[in-house]
Amino acid sequence: EPEVTQTPSHQVTQMGQEVILRCVPISNHLYFYWYRQILGQKVEFLVSFYNNEISEKSEIFDDQFSVERPDGSNFTLKIRSTKLEDSAMYFCASSPGDEQFFGPGTRLTVL
Amino acid sequence: RKEVEQDPGPFNVPEGATVAFNCTYSNSASQSFFWYRQDCRKEPKLLMSVYSSGNEDGRFTAQLNRASQYISLLIRDSKLSDSATYLCVVNRVNSGYSTLTFGKGTMLLVSP
Repeated sequence: EPEVTQTPSHQVTQMGQEVILRCVPISNHLYFYWYRQILGQKVEFLVSFYNNEISEKSEIFDDQFSVERPDGSNFTLKIRSTKLEDSAMYFCASSPGDEQFFGPGTRLTVL
Repeated sequence: RKEVEQDPGPFNVPEGATVAFNCTYSNSASQSFFWYRQDCRKEPKLLMSVYSSGNEDGRFTAQLNRASQYISLLIRDSKLSDSATYLCVVNRVNSGYSTLTFGKGTMLLVSP
Protein backbone atom coordinates (compact mmCIF):
# COMPACT_ATOMS: atom_id res chain seq x y z
CA GLU A 1 0.00 0.00 0.00
CA PRO A 2 1.49 3.39 -0.98
CA GLU A 3 2.56 5.63 1.91
CA VAL A 4 3.69 9.17 2.51
CA THR A 5 7.34 9.22 3.54
CA GLN A 6 9.26 11.94 5.39
CA THR A 7 12.92 12.62 6.05
CA PRO A 8 14.65 13.05 8.36
CA SER A 9 12.78 11.37 11.19
CA HIS A 10 14.49 13.66 13.70
CA GLN A 11 16.26 16.97 13.13
CA VAL A 12 18.15 18.86 15.80
CA THR A 13 19.18 22.42 14.98
CA GLN A 14 20.41 25.59 16.64
CA MET A 15 18.14 28.59 16.98
CA GLY A 16 18.45 30.86 13.95
CA GLN A 17 19.47 28.07 11.57
CA GLU A 18 17.55 27.10 8.46
CA VAL A 19 16.00 23.65 8.19
CA ILE A 20 14.39 21.84 5.29
CA LEU A 21 11.96 19.04 5.98
CA ARG A 22 11.28 16.64 3.13
CA CYS A 23 8.23 14.65 2.14
CA VAL A 24 7.39 12.28 -0.68
CA PRO A 25 3.60 12.25 -1.08
CA ILE A 26 1.64 9.32 -2.49
CA SER A 27 2.32 9.37 -6.22
CA ASN A 28 -1.15 9.94 -7.71
CA HIS A 29 -2.24 12.48 -5.09
CA LEU A 30 -2.70 16.10 -6.11
CA TYR A 31 -3.11 17.93 -2.81
CA PHE A 32 -0.32 18.30 -0.28
CA TYR A 33 -0.26 19.64 3.25
CA TRP A 34 1.97 20.41 6.18
CA TYR A 35 0.77 20.21 9.77
CA ARG A 36 2.60 20.53 13.05
CA GLN A 37 2.01 19.15 16.52
CA ILE A 38 3.71 20.66 19.53
CA LEU A 39 4.25 18.03 22.23
CA GLY A 40 1.05 17.47 24.18
CA GLN A 41 -1.03 19.69 21.92
CA LYS A 42 -3.35 19.18 18.98
CA VAL A 43 -2.39 18.83 15.35
CA GLU A 44 -2.43 22.25 13.63
CA PHE A 45 -2.75 23.07 9.95
CA LEU A 46 0.10 25.03 8.40
CA VAL A 47 -0.33 25.10 4.63
CA SER A 48 -1.97 23.41 1.68
CA PHE A 49 -0.46 23.16 -1.79
CA TYR A 50 -2.05 22.38 -5.13
CA ASN A 51 -0.98 22.81 -8.73
CA ASN A 52 2.42 24.13 -7.69
CA GLU A 53 1.14 26.91 -5.50
CA ILE A 54 -0.06 27.55 -1.98
CA SER A 55 -3.83 27.26 -1.82
CA GLU A 56 -4.29 28.15 1.84
CA LYS A 57 -2.12 28.89 4.85
CA SER A 58 -2.72 29.43 8.54
CA GLU A 59 -1.55 32.32 10.67
CA ILE A 60 1.23 30.08 11.96
CA PHE A 61 2.71 29.96 8.44
CA ASP A 62 4.48 33.32 8.52
CA ASP A 63 7.32 34.67 6.38
CA GLN A 64 9.80 32.30 8.02
CA PHE A 65 8.08 29.36 6.35
CA SER A 66 8.04 28.35 2.70
CA VAL A 67 7.05 25.27 0.73
CA GLU A 68 8.26 23.95 -2.56
CA ARG A 69 7.73 21.05 -4.88
CA PRO A 70 11.16 21.04 -6.55
CA ASP A 71 10.50 17.99 -8.72
CA GLY A 72 7.73 15.52 -9.44
CA SER A 73 8.03 13.65 -6.18
CA ASN A 74 9.36 15.78 -3.31
CA PHE A 75 7.46 18.34 -1.26
CA THR A 76 9.53 20.41 1.16
CA LEU A 77 8.93 22.73 4.10
CA LYS A 78 11.65 25.27 4.83
CA ILE A 79 11.97 27.24 8.03
CA ARG A 80 14.41 30.10 7.41
CA SER A 81 15.45 31.08 10.92
CA THR A 82 14.27 28.60 13.49
CA LYS A 83 12.99 29.67 16.89
CA LEU A 84 12.71 27.64 20.06
CA GLU A 85 8.94 27.55 19.66
CA ASP A 86 9.29 25.84 16.27
CA SER A 87 10.17 22.64 18.14
CA ALA A 88 7.40 20.24 17.22
CA MET A 89 6.47 17.22 15.15
CA TYR A 90 5.91 18.20 11.52
CA PHE A 91 3.59 16.00 9.48
CA CYS A 92 3.22 16.00 5.74
CA ALA A 93 -0.06 14.76 4.29
CA SER A 94 -1.33 14.09 0.80
CA SER A 95 -4.78 13.61 -0.58
CA PRO A 96 -6.50 12.57 -3.82
CA GLY A 97 -9.40 14.81 -2.86
CA ASP A 98 -11.09 14.49 0.52
CA GLU A 99 -9.32 12.02 2.80
CA GLN A 100 -5.81 12.96 3.86
CA PHE A 101 -3.02 10.49 4.58
CA PHE A 102 -0.19 11.42 6.86
CA GLY A 103 3.51 10.67 6.81
CA PRO A 104 5.37 9.47 9.91
CA GLY A 105 6.55 12.99 10.74
CA THR A 106 9.80 14.78 11.40
CA ARG A 107 10.55 15.65 15.00
CA LEU A 108 12.24 19.07 14.96
CA THR A 109 14.16 20.11 18.05
CA VAL A 110 15.47 23.67 18.19
CA LEU A 111 18.12 24.30 20.82
CA ARG B 1 -16.11 28.00 21.60
CA LYS B 2 -13.32 25.75 20.35
CA GLU B 3 -13.55 24.74 16.70
CA VAL B 4 -13.52 21.03 17.49
CA GLU B 5 -14.15 19.92 21.03
CA GLN B 6 -13.79 16.39 22.40
CA ASP B 7 -14.19 14.63 25.73
CA PRO B 8 -10.98 15.32 27.65
CA GLY B 9 -10.39 11.70 28.72
CA PRO B 10 -8.53 9.51 29.35
CA PHE B 11 -10.98 6.65 29.17
CA ASN B 12 -9.83 3.54 31.03
CA VAL B 13 -11.84 0.46 30.06
CA PRO B 14 -11.41 -3.32 30.36
CA GLU B 15 -11.07 -5.51 27.31
CA GLY B 16 -14.44 -6.26 25.76
CA ALA B 17 -16.06 -3.03 26.91
CA THR B 18 -18.01 -0.68 24.68
CA VAL B 19 -16.77 2.89 24.66
CA ALA B 20 -18.21 6.03 23.08
CA PHE B 21 -16.42 9.22 22.09
CA ASN B 22 -18.21 12.52 21.57
CA CYS B 23 -17.20 15.51 19.53
CA THR B 24 -18.78 18.87 18.69
CA TYR B 25 -17.70 21.36 16.06
CA SER B 26 -18.41 25.06 15.75
CA ASN B 27 -18.15 25.79 12.03
CA SER B 28 -21.46 24.99 10.37
CA ALA B 29 -19.75 25.27 6.94
CA SER B 30 -17.74 22.11 7.70
CA GLN B 31 -18.31 19.55 5.01
CA SER B 32 -16.48 16.33 5.81
CA PHE B 33 -15.84 14.59 9.07
CA PHE B 34 -13.37 11.96 10.13
CA TRP B 35 -12.06 9.97 13.04
CA TYR B 36 -8.32 9.44 13.14
CA ARG B 37 -6.35 7.47 15.70
CA GLN B 38 -2.93 8.49 16.88
CA ASP B 39 -0.52 6.26 18.74
CA CYS B 40 2.04 7.87 21.02
CA ARG B 41 4.54 9.95 18.99
CA LYS B 42 3.17 8.62 15.70
CA GLU B 43 1.22 10.16 12.84
CA PRO B 44 -2.56 10.39 12.78
CA LYS B 45 -4.03 7.44 10.88
CA LEU B 46 -7.43 7.62 9.24
CA LEU B 47 -9.86 5.37 11.05
CA MET B 48 -13.03 6.23 9.21
CA SER B 49 -14.94 8.96 7.47
CA VAL B 50 -18.26 9.95 9.04
CA TYR B 51 -21.44 10.27 7.00
CA SER B 52 -24.83 11.72 7.88
CA SER B 53 -26.41 8.31 7.43
CA GLY B 54 -23.97 6.82 9.94
CA ASN B 55 -21.44 4.22 9.02
CA GLU B 56 -20.00 1.08 10.50
CA ASP B 57 -16.68 -0.68 10.00
CA GLY B 58 -16.45 -3.86 12.01
CA ARG B 59 -16.45 -2.94 15.69
CA PHE B 60 -16.47 0.79 14.93
CA THR B 61 -19.59 2.89 14.33
CA ALA B 62 -19.56 6.61 13.55
CA GLN B 63 -22.51 8.99 13.60
CA LEU B 64 -22.96 12.57 12.46
CA ASN B 65 -25.70 14.98 13.44
CA ARG B 66 -25.33 18.13 11.34
CA ALA B 67 -28.17 19.96 13.07
CA SER B 68 -26.46 19.56 16.46
CA GLN B 69 -22.95 19.76 14.97
CA TYR B 70 -22.13 16.57 16.81
CA ILE B 71 -20.04 13.54 15.85
CA SER B 72 -19.65 10.28 17.73
CA LEU B 73 -17.55 7.14 17.57
CA LEU B 74 -18.55 3.88 19.22
CA ILE B 75 -16.09 1.05 19.71
CA ARG B 76 -17.56 -2.32 20.63
CA ASP B 77 -15.68 -5.27 22.17
CA SER B 78 -12.59 -3.15 22.72
CA LYS B 79 -9.17 -4.76 22.30
CA LEU B 80 -5.83 -3.96 23.89
CA SER B 81 -4.69 -2.75 20.46
CA ASP B 82 -7.43 -0.10 20.48
CA SER B 83 -5.42 1.84 23.07
CA ALA B 84 -4.59 5.14 21.37
CA THR B 85 -5.75 8.74 21.16
CA TYR B 86 -8.84 9.22 19.02
CA LEU B 87 -8.96 12.46 17.06
CA CYS B 88 -12.14 14.06 15.82
CA VAL B 89 -11.35 15.90 12.60
CA VAL B 90 -13.43 18.31 10.57
CA ASN B 91 -12.74 19.30 6.98
CA ARG B 92 -13.56 22.78 5.76
CA VAL B 93 -13.54 23.28 2.00
CA ASN B 94 -12.83 26.81 0.79
CA SER B 95 -12.73 27.54 -2.95
CA GLY B 96 -12.11 23.88 -3.62
CA TYR B 97 -9.25 23.53 -1.15
CA SER B 98 -9.68 21.69 2.10
CA THR B 99 -8.09 22.11 5.49
CA LEU B 100 -8.43 19.77 8.43
CA THR B 101 -9.19 21.06 11.90
CA PHE B 102 -8.31 18.62 14.66
CA GLY B 103 -9.70 18.17 18.11
CA LYS B 104 -7.23 17.66 20.90
CA GLY B 105 -8.12 13.98 21.07
CA THR B 106 -9.42 11.57 23.65
CA MET B 107 -7.04 8.96 24.97
CA LEU B 108 -8.32 5.40 25.33
CA LEU B 109 -6.55 2.88 27.55
CA VAL B 110 -7.81 -0.69 27.28
CA SER B 111 -6.59 -2.96 30.04
CA PRO B 112 -6.59 -6.79 30.31
